[in-house]
Amino acid sequence: GENVEQHPSTLSVQEGDSAVIKCTYSDSASNYFPWYKQELGKGPQLIIDIRSNVGEKKDQRIAVTLNKTAKHFSLHITETQPEDSAVYFCAASGGGSTLGRLYFGRGTQLTVWP
Amino acid sequence: NAGVTQTPKFQVLKTGQSMTLQCAQDMNHEYMSWYRQDPGMGLRLIHYSVGAGITDQGEVPNGYNVSRSTTEDFPLRLLSAAPSQTSVYFCASSYSSNREGNTEAFFGQGTRLTVV
Repeated sequence: GENVEQHPSTLSVQEGDSAVIKCTYSDSASNYFPWYKQELGKGPQLIIDIRSNVGEKKDQRIAVTLNKTAKHFSLHITETQPEDSAVYFCAASGGGSTLGRLYFGRGTQLTVWP
Repeated sequence: NAGVTQTPKFQVLKTGQSMTLQCAQDMNHEYMSWYRQDPGMGLRLIHYSVGAGITDQGEVPNGYNVSRSTTEDFPLRLLSAAPSQTSVYFCASSYSSNREGNTEAFFGQGTRLTVV
């Protein structure tokens, strides 16, 4: 099955700096790569996703890049704010028998210091 | 909009007890899943369903049963609770489109379970 690795496990940045979280996946058939943000005591919420036919996607301060050849994808947050502090998860999913299944990385605890 | 609703939010069980975690969604999603979240381990798939009457095992299915009699509901049963099942449990639902394949998964607020 799919194996998703996520780094780093913790990340501390100063407010206004950029933050980058990286993930790798093992199954070349995976074609959907969402990123989730989880605030304390809540369920994960989608913040951005990318499909295998796209190399980069942006949404205001958040961007995701995908390198299919190297099987890795990254989350970039610019101009970080204290409210960006949360746990971030990357995930991968494919088609066929794996439709509807998400394989998650272990998460990154992001702390943004004012 | 209710989305995905999980009950209860908190539960304490004694070793050997059984219980059912409830999950309901009102978005007519075909896919539903149960995950457990443990510190440093991310979200691990327990069981999932691609539609009413169809379920399959995930990465960590032992000690858990599921059924999907309707599109809306996907309960998770703990047969004989063990301390190793102390965790936070999340239910999620999603659908696939013919054009794009997988789409966003919506998560419930979680059930924090402690087995003593």
